[in-house]
Amino acid sequence: DIQMTQSPSSVSASVGDRVTITCRASQHISSWLTWYQQKPGEAPKLLIHAASNLQSGVPSRFSGSGSGTEFTLTISSLQPEDLATYYCHQADTFPWTFGQGTMVELK
Amino acid sequence: QVQLVESGGGLVTPGGSLRLSCAASGFTFSDYYMIWIRQAPGKGLELVSYISSSGSSTKYADSVKGRFTISRDNARNSLFLQMKGLTAEDTALYYCTRFDQDVYGMDVWGQGTTVTVSS
Repeated sequence: DIQMTQSPSSVSASVGDRVTITCRASQHISSWLTWYQQKPGEAPKLLIHAASNLQSGVPSRFSGSGSGTEFTLTISSLQPEDLATYYCHQADTFPWTFGQGTMVELK
Repeated sequence: QVQLVESGGGLVTPGGSLRLSCAASGFTFSDYYMIWIRQAPGKGLELVSYISSSGSSTKYADSVKGRFTISRDNARNSLFLQMKGLTAEDTALYYCTRFDQDVYGMDVWGQGTTVTVSS
């Protein structure tokens, strides 16, 4: 199975800060990398698909990049409503796997 | 509007069975792959199973293979997950999701249904 490792596991930042989350795959996964946001008590929401494409309706402060085995999710200016856990997900090889999640907290 | 509504969760004793259902509305159900994803309490996300748009192709996580069966009824816009031989490790919130092949991701999620396996 392809292991997806996110770092950090949690991050505490202030409103307006730039936040970067990294996701590393244990083997090459092309660009079939998706990012999801899960707010407390809610179902996950698709943010970024194909590593760098913003899903419709998602604020432009979110961006994704990377290919191969290393990917990043960036929030350019953290907002209070971004408090959530973020998961990367690979759909390159079954079983599709998720990272363990990165919790974003407000300072 | 596009919506997925799960039902069928509950408390079951170890070794028992349960059938989850997911009612889809607001889109052409038969056009989409559908996926069950689960989340154990306080844990991350795990893909359980997926089924192709026609129902002819299915895949399962190793953790549920041989115990769970995914199926769909396109005439009734419904997705199912038959679970048997349940263990405490199957305790989780089970989400029904739509897989969009254009974005290669799960773009619609239900609110989830909780399965608790306990004696």
